[in-house]
Amino acid sequence: QLQLQESGPGLVKPSETLSLTCTVSGGSISSSSDYWGWIRQPPGKGLEWIGSIFYSGNTYYNPSLKSRVTISVDTSKNQFSLKVSSVTAADTAVYYCARGWRSFDPWGQGTLVTVSS
Amino acid sequence: DIQMTQSPSSLSASVGDRVTITCRASQSIRNYLNWYQQKPGKAPKLLIHTASSLQSGVPSRFSGSGSGTDFTLTISSLQPEDFATYYCQQSYSPPWTFGQGTKVEVK
Repeated sequence: QLQLQESGPGLVKPSETLSLTCTVSGGSISSSSDYWGWIRQPPGKGLEWIGSIFYSGNTYYNPSLKSRVTISVDTSKNQFSLKVSSVTAADTAVYYCARGWRSFDPWGQGTLVTVSS
Repeated sequence: DIQMTQSPSSLSASVGDRVTITCRASQSIRNYLNWYQQKPGKAPKLLIHTASSLQSGVPSRFSGSGSGTDFTLTISSLQPEDFATYYCQQSYSPPWTFGQGTKVEVK
């Protein structure tokens, strides 16, 4: 059974870079020709798609975040990663990783990242 | 971006009730519409994809319908484990966008 797990710092200072990793277990990130994505949810609010990466490395970003976001994949570690630069309080959210392109399943449990000095 | 609008934002219902949630897209998205269920402190779970296809393992009391701009998620007989927030998501054109959510609460 495929499982995803986010990891990374829970607190980031304003103007710095948020970095998260998603580790995939129960299957190979490169064997299923899947897309892998990041979605975030500010506390008490709705869901926002951040971007996705194909196992080969092709990336697709939400234009609203594109200038600050980088998603990469490390097939040797069965992981993919998210970086968001120049963060502000508006980037405080639970960040989820998930498999899929048009629909997302399964999801990781999510990790709360707070932007604060 | 395609805007997704759900109604109502919240509703109160009892176990056994039939519940209907509506999602409207700002333009035609054909049948590229997904539904998710989210419980407090948990990740969303895919219930229905392409408007009406039930994801594997999801109970048959959940059903989806619609095409174009108007879509519906129906729970035929609400169960205690169904009290949650439901989100629609368009998968027609990136950036993928979600509705604001509908919270199903205990009456």
